[in-house]
Amino acid sequence: QVQLVQSWAEVKKPGASVKVSCKASGYTFTSYYMHWLRQAPGQGLEWMGIINPSGDFTSYAQKLQDRVTVTTDTSSSTVYMDLSRLTSEDTAIYYCARGPFDVTRGYFDYWGQGTLVTVSS
Amino acid sequence: EIVMTQSPATLSVSPGERATLSCRASQSVSSSLAWYQQRPGQAPRLLIYDASTRATGIPARFSGSGSGTEFTLTISSLQSEDFAVYYCQQFNNWPRLTFGGGTKVEIK
Repeated sequence: QVQLVQSWAEVKKPGASVKVSCKASGYTFTSYYMHWLRQAPGQGLEWMGIINPSGDFTSYAQKLQDRVTVTTDTSSSTVYMDLSRLTSEDTAIYYCARGPFDVTRGYFDYWGQGTLVTVSS
Repeated sequence: EIVMTQSPATLSVSPGERATLSCRASQSVSSSLAWYQQRPGQAPRLLIYDASTRATGIPARFSGSGSGTEFTLTISSLQSEDFAVYYCQQFNNWPRLTFGGGTKVEIK
């Protein structure tokens, strides 16, 4: 069965960076794009970015594009999301989510369990 | 950016009753719309894609309709596990994907 297992919760100071991982299993990793999304406490969902399995295509939300980097490691079927220059507004649960086989269909059929990132001094 | 607006923000429904949730797009998204359910403390779960196609394993009591700018998610007979927050999401403007603010379905 498809599983996306994310790294553990993180606590970071303002100005620092965080790297969250998402290890995929149960399907052919090289056939599906991966997305990253986040959800601030008590708030809705925000799309952050997308990457193709080989890592040579990425696209990011405009408000984050100078701070977020998504990469892949096909040898371990893992996707990473790196967010820099953190502020308290980046406190959120971060999710990886798989896109469907048709890469132009931008919905999310499987989700990771979420990683809480807390930014606090 | 395509803005998605959901209404109502909160819907109070008794178990066994029908729930109707609305989602409006600021411009046409054709049928490129998905619905998700999020229970407390859990990741979202895909319910509906292409406005009306149920995802794998989703019960038939969930149905979606609409196209263009107006969409509806209907839960025909609410079960205890259906009390949750529901989000709509457009994917017509790929990859600039946007969500509605959510509708919380609570027990009346």
